[in-house]
Amino acid sequence: NAGVMQNPRHLVRRRGQEARLRCSPMKGHSHVYWYRQLPEEGLKFMVYLQKENIIDESGMPKERFSAEFPKEGPSILRIQQVVRGDSAAYFCASSFLRETAGNQPQHFGDGTRLSIL
Amino acid sequence: DQQVKQNSPSLSVQEGRISILNCDYTNSMFDYFLWYKKYPAEGPTFLISISSIKDKNEDGRFTVFLNKSAKHLSLHIVPSQPGDSAVYFCAARLYNFNKFYFGSGTKLNVKP
Repeated sequence: NAGVMQNPRHLVRRRGQEARLRCSPMKGHSHVYWYRQLPEEGLKFMVYLQKENIIDESGMPKERFSAEFPKEGPSILRIQQVVRGDSAAYFCASSFLRETAGNQPQHFGDGTRLSIL
Repeated sequence: DQQVKQNSPSLSVQEGRISILNCDYTNSMFDYFLWYKKYPAEGPTFLISISSIKDKNEDGRFTVFLNKSAKHLSLHIVPSQPGDSAVYFCAARLYNFNKFYFGSGTKLNVKP
């Protein structure tokens, strides 16, 4: 009964490169959320997706960041032309049904730590 | 715009005593409140939640209290154990948007 799987756990990129972070939700979960945690700060919502749909991307920076959750395969958070300020821990979470979100809360992966050189 | 706030970045408690972690919120449209626990290099794990129509929910050593008029909730851990040492995040769900807002976390240290 695998939980939320994120890979890679650590990712190092040079400024200007692209970063791709992957998230496989728990089996049966159709809702995926991405959060960013800067050092000494809490989790900041970035984007909420269902299969093939972006539901809410109000937390995503307008440029360079994109996310998808295709019909098949993991959810991908993509950061183009990375800058030093993108260095953070990126967490993915998944949940089952929206209506029961209070009783079936989000399950988190262990995160991807992105470091920009 | 920080809609969920945890004003105490850290808390130190003796083993066996009660730990009280606090959280304040501003949006009256939140319908569920949750507490997560996070160890270093791991993702947050769900601890306990409470619906906005209740004022208390208990699960073993963990109890969450909700004071809607004050827009305040708290997590009580009793008795505290060294294994409880972690960062605790308070979160709230925005009704009808299924969007979650997190506080900045409180680092709990339970001393043996």
